[in-house]
Amino acid sequence: DTAVSQTPKYLVTQMGNDKSIKCEQNLGHDTMYWYKQDSKKFLKIMFSYNNKELIINETVPNRFSPKSPDKAHLNLHINSLELGDSAVYFCASSQFGQTEAFFGQGTRLTVV
Amino acid sequence: QKEVEQDPGPLSVPEGAIVSLNCTYSNSAFQYFMWYRQYSRKGPELLMYTYSSGNKEDGRFTAQVDKSSKYISLFIRDSQPSDSATYLCAMSMNRDDKIIFGKGTRLHILP
Repeated sequence: DTAVSQTPKYLVTQMGNDKSIKCEQNLGHDTMYWYKQDSKKFLKIMFSYNNKELIINETVPNRFSPKSPDKAHLNLHINSLELGDSAVYFCASSQFGQTEAFFGQGTRLTVV
Repeated sequence: QKEVEQDPGPLSVPEGAIVSLNCTYSNSAFQYFMWYRQYSRKGPELLMYTYSSGNKEDGRFTAQVDKSSKYISLFIRDSQPSDSATYLCAMSMNRDDKIIFGKGTRLHILP
């Protein structure tokens, strides 16, 4: 019974391609996030959505476009992939007003 | 100066030892402090959560926050090989604010 699930788990693609990562949470939370963890393991927030509304956008290139069809889903679409986009992308969720976030297992993106 | 500083390690200690993990931070507005544990190729999971200064204990784990020194610690007693993981400190200013993570400390507990 996975709380925060992401697909795919692994993604290998060529530079210039467009790809999407999907995230779903069954915790009943109203806030969802995308984080990027680089090769040095540094975990940095990219976006945060509350009830389908964007509340945090952390200086991310506009090639990255999150979409939240409902509060249980937050997808991440990336256009024109670059080598520097290679990282592990984590989806997370929390209840608004509570700091604790629950993370998915991550999507390991490799751009070649 | 980075907002949150954490020694990346690796830190290797023998089984049964007391482990001390630390972070320093620069933003005095941080009020909520967390420790996450991340096993290899897994997502981070929340271990401890503390508001403002003070201590919090949960089983073998104790979290300490010293806001005057901008210093937080996580102590693990009677360490086990299963505690081997990367430990990330994290903090935020308000409940609804973004969480800022340290780079994580890799911990190895040697059997």
